[in-house]
Amino acid sequence: DSGVTQTPKHLITATGQRVTLRCSPRSGDLSVYWYQQSLDQGLQFLIQYYNGEERAKGNILERFSAQQFPDLHSELNLSSLELGDSALYFCASSVRGRALVDTQYFGPGTRLTVL
Amino acid sequence: GDSVTQMEGPVTLSEEAFLTINCTYTATGYPSLFWYVQYPGEGLQLLLKATKADDKGSNKGFEATYRKETTSFHLEKGSVQVSDSAVYFCALSEAYGGATNKLIFGTGTLLAVQP
Repeated sequence: DSGVTQTPKHLITATGQRVTLRCSPRSGDLSVYWYQQSLDQGLQFLIQYYNGEERAKGNILERFSAQQFPDLHSELNLSSLELGDSALYFCASSVRGRALVDTQYFGPGTRLTVL
Repeated sequence: GDSVTQMEGPVTLSEEAFLTINCTYTATGYPSLFWYVQYPGEGLQLLLKATKADDKGSNKGFEATYRKETTSFHLEKGSVQVSDSAVYFCALSEAYGGATNKLIFGTGTLLAVQP
């Protein structure tokens, strides 16, 4: 158990809908990362927050947004869903978030299926 | 941009065989290098890491050495077990002092160990 929790574990929805994925980092970690794992794109970095502020952005679609709240939990919002958004979404956390000796710990993931 | 290339799978071995999974990278500066493992139905777990040239990361019998001259970080294990069956991901993060330590992953290599 990494200490990172994600809810829900599974999500099934229809095209055009909007969903919210939630992540609680390990106690003491200030940085949260979101990654998408799909069959055609592999594991891709989406976005990083550090202590409530956006730190880095990857290949995140404009239909997707995220935020980190004062209690450090994070939410990833996916809207106008398409079939191709079906994937496993991972959250990870680390203490600092800069390129130091800072290990990322991953949650179990949320499996999103868009029908 | 930075990238990671790892050998295609699946890799199928008999128990107690020697394992090598090749990983090479392209990056500016000197990134940190990681191997993560994903067991069936689970999230990613850090297996080992190395933060500078010639460092050797090791854990649970697995080893990998950071080779700057060949830009490689090959994963090895002397004697695999059925319980090692999983998907293995090579990854890098930016050089020390960078603004973010987002991870860039390879495509993953499925290892299947047969009794």
